[in-house]
Parts: sequence; structure tokens; C-alpha cells
Amino acid sequence: DVKVTQSSRYLVKRTGEKVFLECVQDMDHENMFWYRQDPGLGLRLIYFSYDVKMKEKGDIPEGYSVSREKKERFSLILESASTNQTSMYLCASRYSAWNTEAFFGQGTRLTVV
Amino acid sequence: DQQVKQNSPSLSVQEGRISILNCDYTNSMFDYFLWYKKYPAEGPTFLISISSIKDKNEDGRFTVFLNKSAKHLSLHIVPSQPGDSAVYFCAARSNFGNEKLTFGTGTRLTIIP
Repeated sequence: DVKVTQSSRYLVKRTGEKVFLECVQDMDHENMFWYRQDPGLGLRLIYFSYDVKMKEKGDIPEGYSVSREKKERFSLILESASTNQTSMYLCASRYSAWNTEAFFGQGTRLTVV
Repeated sequence: DQQVKQNSPSLSVQEGRISILNCDYTNSMFDYFLWYKKYPAEGPTFLISISSIKDKNEDGRFTVFLNKSAKHLSLHIVPSQPGDSAVYFCAARSNFGNEKLTFGTGTRLTIIP
């Protein structure tokens, strides 16, 4: 089975802190994604990565950055956390082919106080 | 600009009856469509998909229909079971440019025993 693991289920951080969310997949997938889920807004794409060291902005990249130094790991960084970044963060990965599904991690509920 | 829309935020269906979830899209470059199911505090799990060259795909109790001319897809669940109560997201992939998956806002399905 494909496994996508996010480092934390729940996080509470203070405004202004630098926050790292880690995601690891074990299926040698080329593509990895970070989404956030908010009520009424669905899943919105923050950043994604085609392959190692490749990244592209999604629909809402402001206030975030990413790092992909190894194929299995994709990190989301909140440079200076703000209360409007309180959300459920979801990491996903998939093979780079047109007809493949993405597999999601269990999510990280981040609260910024 | 919401390219994938789920206009019904919620839906209630009697156990044993058919559940029909709808999704509309605006981007004619989408060539692959997926449905995901999400329970609270968990990551989405893949349910079923359909490519743009087909108009129907079945997997057990789940059937997805695609009407390209109307830019509309629907997920049929029959018979509906209590364990189907969840939020359902449709997603689409474009055949132009990058590999990202664009998600809708979700529909909360409640199955009434």
C-alpha cells in the first residue's frame, strides 16, 4: 500500500513563528503536493513539485515556501505564521502520468495563536 | 476563479437509496476526473476516476458519469450505506502544462438510517 506520512497530526504555533510541515511518501512518486482545506473552500493547492528540487506555485502560495531535496520528502514552510494560516494541511503524492490518482496523508491540523 | 464547482454543500439521503453528487467544471483542457471521500480529521481517499474519452465508469456501488458537452460529472452511490457519510470532493487534471489536480469545494453527504 502507498503510504504518505505527515509528521504531525496537530500543531499549535504562535504568530510570527517559522513552521515546518513535513511529508514523506514511500512509493517513489515523482509528484508531490501541499493543499489546505478550509470550510466552504475545498482543497486549495499551495505548492507542488514535479520531481526532486522542482517546484511550482499553486493557487495560494503567499506566505509559504517549500523544499524538496529528496524524492520521498516534501516540506512546507510557513515563513512567519499568521492566524489566517490556521487550517488543515494535506500532503499528497502521485506518479507522473496523466491517469493516476493522488494519495493523501492523514493531514495536519495547524492552529496559529 | 473556481474551475471545479460543487454547488451543493450538503446532501441527505435515506439508507438504501441512491446518492447523486454533482460537479461542474469550466476548463475544457481537463482530461481526467477523480472523486475522493474524506472523513473528519483524515486525509481524502481515492474512490473512482474517469478519463475524458469515456462517459461512464463503474466500481461496485460507485458509478461516475461524464458529460463533456455540459462540462458536468456526477457520482452515483447505490445503495447508500451509513459508512458513506463523508465529504466528497471531485477533482480534475488538465492535459495542458503542469500536473496539478484542481479540487472542488466538496459536498457533505449524510446517510440517514
